[in-house]
Amino acid sequence: AQSVSQHNHHVILSEAASLELGCNYSYGGTVNLFWYVQYPGQHLQLLLKYFSGDPLVKGIKGFEAEFIKSKFSFNLRKPSVQWSDTAEYFCAVNGISGGYNKLIFGAGTRLAVHP
Amino acid sequence: NAGVTQTPKFQVLKTGQSMTLQCAQDMNHNSMYWYRQDPGMGLRLIYYSASEGTTDKGEVPNGYNVSRLNKREFSLRLESAAPSQTSVYFCASSGPGGEDAYEQYFGPGTRLTVT
Repeated sequence: AQSVSQHNHHVILSEAASLELGCNYSYGGTVNLFWYVQYPGQHLQLLLKYFSGDPLVKGIKGFEAEFIKSKFSFNLRKPSVQWSDTAEYFCAVNGISGGYNKLIFGAGTRLAVHP
Repeated sequence: NAGVTQTPKFQVLKTGQSMTLQCAQDMNHNSMYWYRQDPGMGLRLIYYSASEGTTDKGEVPNGYNVSRLNKREFSLRLESAAPSQTSVYFCASSGPGGEDAYEQYFGPGTRLTVT
């Protein structure tokens, strides 16, 4: 069965620290990969996505992620976090299953950035 | 473009009561989805509709029913609410084809409490 693992459930950083959130997936076929962010009290917004091509993808607000096929990983990075990055981050994998586009989410990582 | 809208934003129900959560999208998307979000569990798919006139069960369909009223609207009904259905419910939609079919757009959510 397809699954997505996010290794860190809670991360606490100080402003200007670097961020890396881990994401591993299990799926045998071609995958599309996503990171979504949910700011406090808001709905999910797309941070970045990977479909094909350059495995290093850049998203909004200075975030980037690297797809490493051999490791089934799609880790999210940001060189210098800000207080406004405090949010919950969800990795998601999409594949065709049962004839429709199925999006499987990880459990999420809560990031708290202190000034 | 309003994107994906949901009503109501908040709801409190007593055990055994029924209610319908409404969702509408104005992006001409074919596919629509209902998820529930619980702490530490990410988002889990309740039901989805690949196109107007079709609906299928997702990962956690028990206790719910859905209606794809037309291309724009997809409602979720709780016939007899239970405390285990206390959650935040998100509606999402995805586009007609190509890469658009894989990216899902989310509504603002409905926070439901069942006492």
